[in-house]
Amino acid sequence: QVQLQESGPGLVKPSGTLSLTCAVSGGSIISSDWWSWVRQPPGRGLEWIGDIYHSGSTNYNPSLMSRVTISIDKSKKQFSLKLSSVTAADTAVYFCARAQDVYPGRSNTFPFDSWGQGTLVTVSS
Amino acid sequence: VLTQSPPTLSLSPGERATLSCRASESVSSFLAWYQQKPGQAPRLLIYDASNRATGIPARFSGSGSGTDFTLTISSLEPEDFAVYYCQQRSNWLTFGGGTKVEIK
Repeated sequence: QVQLQESGPGLVKPSGTLSLTCAVSGGSIISSDWWSWVRQPPGRGLEWIGDIYHSGSTNYNPSLMSRVTISIDKSKKQFSLKLSSVTAADTAVYFCARAQDVYPGRSNTFPFDSWGQGTLVTVSS
Repeated sequence: VLTQSPPTLSLSPGERATLSCRASESVSSFLAWYQQKPGQAPRLLIYDASNRATGIPARFSGSGSGTDFTLTISSLEPEDFAVYYCQQRSNWLTFGGGTKVEIK
């Protein structure tokens, strides 16, 4: 079973850039799966931020697209999130997750079958 | 948009739980269900509307297609009291607002 671990600063100043990295272990980052970021504000529901394929192709949530960059480093088996111009509304637990290609070669839900433990990022001065 | 109902479900252990997820437009069968407990990451239960994920007990079942989906827990165990989310990947990717299953 693949394991994911987020790392990065827990406190970011308003107008700054949030940067997180997710390390992948126990499996290959080069596969038909996608690698994703999901966040959850305190006491609220889940919000998909975006995902990346090992080729570097990305999909972003339209509501965040102007501020988000997701990148991948295959040699280090990790992928990263940058969110710019943050405000208090970006305070959340940030999860990295694997979107598994459950039926390679045909359309499917690409469900999130593996998750990191999550890391709380607070935006505050 | 995915709308989950009810927001809260108050039941006793051993009872049957029926959770609803309605999409504003068809998502075909590209729908998943997750369980989340406080302080934990979500756990995948069901994918492609009706397929149980690895290791998920048979008391969890999913059904539906198009715009209306249901997650059924046939007989609630104490560890099943949690928040449940649906998620679609037909039109970008969105989650429902969640249903909290609480002990009555």
